[in-house]
Amino acid sequence: DTAVSQTPKYLVTQMGNDKSIKCEQNLGHDTMYWYKQDSKKFLKIMFSYNNKELIINETVPNRFSPKSPDKAHLNLHINSLELGDSAVYFCASSQDLATGKKNEQFFGPGTRLTVL
Amino acid sequence: AQSVTQLGSHVSVSEGALVLLRCNYSSSVPPYLFWYVQYPNQGLQLLLKYTSAATLVKGINGFEAEFKKSETSFHLTKPSAHMSDAAEYFCAVSTSSASKIIFGSGTRLSIRP
Repeated sequence: DTAVSQTPKYLVTQMGNDKSIKCEQNLGHDTMYWYKQDSKKFLKIMFSYNNKELIINETVPNRFSPKSPDKAHLNLHINSLELGDSAVYFCASSQDLATGKKNEQFFGPGTRLTVL
Repeated sequence: AQSVTQLGSHVSVSEGALVLLRCNYSSSVPPYLFWYVQYPNQGLQLLLKYTSAATLVKGINGFEAEFKKSETSFHLTKPSAHMSDAAEYFCAVSTSSASKIIFGSGTRLSIRP
């Protein structure tokens, strides 16, 4: 019954590795997001997809590549992981972009990524 | 462009005391304003939102916030704190023309027994 789910919950890996985080929402929403929360709890949007189309792409290194196979899934692939990538990554969804700006975004439980 | 400032990265109150978490926003057009709560090791959950209707907004868990245009503020209050209110609270702003929601830096609320 989980609305927005992410896997894995924890991810520990070495510098230079490539890893993926998966996100799925069962709310029937059209828009999905990836956020990064650093160690100071600062939350910053990275990407947003609406019906599988990229609509927000913040200043994020090219090593980060989102992929949306369908509107219920938005995965995040990270190449050549660096120490600074250590953070909690949150997936979220909203009914659509317009309502997502004025109504609720539903957040997943987060994926804690630790790069050693 | 919009921005939001949360005053106080950490607020500590006694159980049963008033909770007041401060948020000031900047927006050149009418804003949408939100308060989200993040419990330990969980995602964010919407507490309440202001989208140009009533200026006093009531949310879940007994929280409420008042939109004051003259003060560009949207402070979050609760009359009586419970231990279960201990969490991180985020104020956020958006507009009808914005492409995204901008989050504040968060305020950690601690409750003393």
